[in-house]
Amino acid sequence: LAKTTQPPSMEAYEGQEVNVSCSHTNIATSEYIYWYRQVPHQGPQFIIQGYKDYVVNEVASLFISADRKLSTLSLPWVSLRDAAVYYCIVTGPGTGSNRLTFGKGTKFSLIP
Amino acid sequence: GPKVLQIPSHQIIDMGQMVTLNCDPVSNHLYFYWYKQILGQQMEFLVNFYNGKVMEKSKLFKDQFSVERPDGSYFTLKIQPTALEDSAVYFCASSPGTGNTGQLYFGEGSKLTVL
Repeated sequence: LAKTTQPPSMEAYEGQEVNVSCSHTNIATSEYIYWYRQVPHQGPQFIIQGYKDYVVNEVASLFISADRKLSTLSLPWVSLRDAAVYYCIVTGPGTGSNRLTFGKGTKFSLIP
Repeated sequence: GPKVLQIPSHQIIDMGQMVTLNCDPVSNHLYFYWYKQILGQQMEFLVNFYNGKVMEKSKLFKDQFSVERPDGSYFTLKIQPTALEDSAVYFCASSPGTGNTGQLYFGEGSKLTVL
């Protein structure tokens, strides 16, 4: 399973766009990139997944570099409900494992 | 969206007692998981379960831990006997098990306090 590296924390003002980066230099060709977030006192929630290029849904967008070693989760117009820990996870079929391995994630906070 | 329900939301027990945490996974999901999270720390994988069997387990899944899902009922995590270090929030998750292997649905957790 590819290891991921994220910034430990980020801050922004309400209404700004926030970009959370994730490095996965050893990503395998069979692996996908998943993003989850966890707000206090709740379980992680799936946000978005991608394999290459650009993916967008109603919550966020995901840009994946051409070599797939870096991905960036973009949250438009952040509000209080976006304050959470964001996890980037790389996994896929053929890894021999069906588990998700969570790192320390990126803690995103709003600047008062 | 699909929801995973966990019961109880919080349980306080004395060390050495048995505890059973219950999980009602998303209907038609085939894979089930338990994770452990100590306050302020990372989510740690415990075990996953498919077709009535444990598929993978981590070192945290001690001999005192067991999981089962009798037909059509809750997916349970039993700890017997409990220890102080078992105090944590336990999250259950489920996934369809086919295709999108990385998309899990998590419950809101069961907080276990061992005194």
